[in-house]
Amino acid sequence: RKEVEQDPGPFNVPEGATVAFNCTYSNSASQSFFWYRQDCRKEPKLLMSVYSSGNEDGRFTAQLNRASQYISLLIRDSKLSDSATYLCVVPSGNQGGKLIFGQGTELSVKP
Amino acid sequence: NAGVTQTPKFRILKIGQSMTLQCTQDMNHNYMYWYRQDPGMGLKLIYYSVGAGITDKGEVPNGYNVSRSTTEDFPLRLELAAPSQTSVYFCASSWRGENTEAFFGQGTRLTVV
Repeated sequence: RKEVEQDPGPFNVPEGATVAFNCTYSNSASQSFFWYRQDCRKEPKLLMSVYSSGNEDGRFTAQLNRASQYISLLIRDSKLSDSATYLCVVPSGNQGGKLIFGQGTELSVKP
Repeated sequence: NAGVTQTPKFRILKIGQSMTLQCTQDMNHNYMYWYRQDPGMGLKLIYYSVGAGITDKGEVPNGYNVSRSTTEDFPLRLELAAPSQTSVYFCASSWRGENTEAFFGQGTRLTVV
C-alpha cells in the first residue's frame, strides 16, 4: 500500500457543484494531515490542516477517519477559481519531518 | 521577509554534468525539504532535514546528496546528471514537521539532455 494515495482525477464539475476528494494513508501513527492546493505547477500552498475529526473553513470541509485511515476534502458551491490540483499530505518519519504527498487530484470547474 | 528562495529558476544540464540547487529560508524554520515533481505526478520527497547537521532520505534519494550546515541553507547536489532527473524541484521549510505549514520556494525547472 502506498504511504499516501488519492482519488485519481480529473474531476470536471459545473460551477456551484459540490465535489469531494478522498485520500488514504498507511501510517496509523500519523497525527496531523494537510490539504495543499497547487495551481498550474506553481508551488503548493496550504489549504487546510486536519488534526482531530475535521475542520471547516467557509466552503471547504476536511474530515478525518482514523479507523479507516482516510481524509476527505469537500468543496461546496464550486467556483471557477477552485480549479487546481489538490494534494493530500501526511507527516511521518523522524520527528514527523517526512512530509509525504499524494499524487494529487485535479479539479476543473466549468461555467 | 523573502520566505524560501531557490536558485536557479531554470537550468539545462548535459548528461554526466553536476550541479547544486540552492535553497535558503529566512524564517528560522527547523525543517527543510527537497521534492521533485514530474509532469502529471505529485511531489516526491528526495531528502529532508529536521535541523542543522541532520538529514534523512525521503522516497527518491538516489542520485542526490544534501547537506545542512546552517539553519538557513539546504543545498541539493546532483552528481552525474541523467535524463531521468529532468523535473521541477521544490524546496520547502516548516517550523516543525507535524502541525505546521510548509512554505515552498518557486521551484527550479531542470532539463537534462
